[in-house]
Amino acid sequence: DTEVTQTPKHLVMGMTNKKSLKCEQHMGHRAMYWYKQKAKKPPELMFVYSYEKLSINESVPSRFSPECPNSSLLNLHLHALQPEDSALYLCASSVTGGATDTQYFGPGTRLTVL
Amino acid sequence: GNSVTQMEGPVTLSEEAFLTINCTYTATGYPSLFWYVQYPGEGLQLLLKATKADDKGSNKGFEATYRKETTSFHLEKGSVQVSDSAVYFCALKRQNNNDMRFGAGTRLTVKP
Repeated sequence: DTEVTQTPKHLVMGMTNKKSLKCEQHMGHRAMYWYKQKAKKPPELMFVYSYEKLSINESVPSRFSPECPNSSLLNLHLHALQPEDSALYLCASSVTGGATDTQYFGPGTRLTVL
Repeated sequence: GNSVTQMEGPVTLSEEAFLTINCTYTATGYPSLFWYVQYPGEGLQLLLKATKADDKGSNKGFEATYRKETTSFHLEKGSVQVSDSAVYFCALKRQNNNDMRFGAGTRLTVKP
């Protein structure tokens, strides 16, 4: 099973809402990632968890808050977002995060902030 | 810094044409190199990868060779199909680093 699942597929939220994105993998991977992808642009790394510890935080605004409750789950909590945060949010996982690891991507959550 | 430069698209080809998408990189040390494909409305899928110089990655008729002397990882396919229409991303990952750097992406459209 090389599947990374993400829920929800689509999310529309207002600027005062609080919502969460969820990502799950059952491949035994110990590194998990959040990326943001704007239309017609490449994915941009937001956060990396390695062995359930946050190892990279790419200067992301605090209105995005990641959480890794266990080795299979990764959440992204959203609060007080801005319309410019509308994008496709991609989750990925890899075995350990090493240089030769393949990152397996989920289908993404398309977020619209009104 | 570490970066990837891809040829700008969009690229439009007729079915059965030969495809080349150029990718060059800048990195210290010996990065691993990847090609990912993104079909409309979907996430990214690994197409192929190479982890050391002169390695050739191949999958579904696509090939790319890791050329350290020219710092390149060009994607090729001998005969494209309509179903190959997608956006292709070249990416690199440095040793001992979790960070994947993507190129800008090249949109390929294959017409019947």
